[in-house]
Amino acid sequence: DAKTTQPPSMDCAEGRAANLPCNHSTISGNEYVYWYRQIHSQGPQYIIHGLKNNETNEMASLIITEDRKSSTLILPHATLRDTAVYYCIVGGSDSWGKLQFGAGTQVVVTP
Amino acid sequence: SAVISQKPSRDICQRGTSLTIQCQVDSQVTMMFWYRQQPGQSLTLIATANQGSEATYESGFVIDKFPISRPNLTFSTLTVSNMSPEDSSIYLCSVTSSGNTIYFGEGSWLTVV
Repeated sequence: DAKTTQPPSMDCAEGRAANLPCNHSTISGNEYVYWYRQIHSQGPQYIIHGLKNNETNEMASLIITEDRKSSTLILPHATLRDTAVYYCIVGGSDSWGKLQFGAGTQVVVTP
Repeated sequence: SAVISQKPSRDICQRGTSLTIQCQVDSQVTMMFWYRQQPGQSLTLIATANQGSEATYESGFVIDKFPISRPNLTFSTLTVSNMSPEDSSIYLCSVTSSGNTIYFGEGSWLTVV
């Protein structure tokens, strides 16, 4: 079973921030939190990952709680092209590179 | 970031035949993996492609059905053997890169008729 829990779907208005939650209460100390998205008929696209600290790149921000049991992916200004399935995954050095995908969150950005 | 090319991108195959999917990376990478995504489902890890040795398979996947080669640090192949309609899926290659980042190819869409 996947180590993460995500809502199955969420809607977001174009131009607004999209906040995608993820619970990973059983995360261990050496496991990273990864976020990917998959647009229909394409391979998963890497978005961001982090261990303890909050991270930001040109696509998104990742906020990890202090106890590391949950995180939030923030898309600051959602566009229609951000409509996709978003996957939150945890993985660590003992299984580095091996990602266990859950069902993800279907995000629909509407005009 | 690593650029991953998969071939074929799409194919329709007859049941009982075999198809080999190629994964080429534009730089040397430490680890390569193969995933399967069945219609309407999430991704499932098939195996880790080990350079110079036999692949490591996940539970439910066997070498006879999914033989894997990895002759060097930039290339791997996955063969889907004796195909049935249940093998109709997207097959994806992924690689690990610097900074613990993991990248995926665009996938190979396989339909078995």
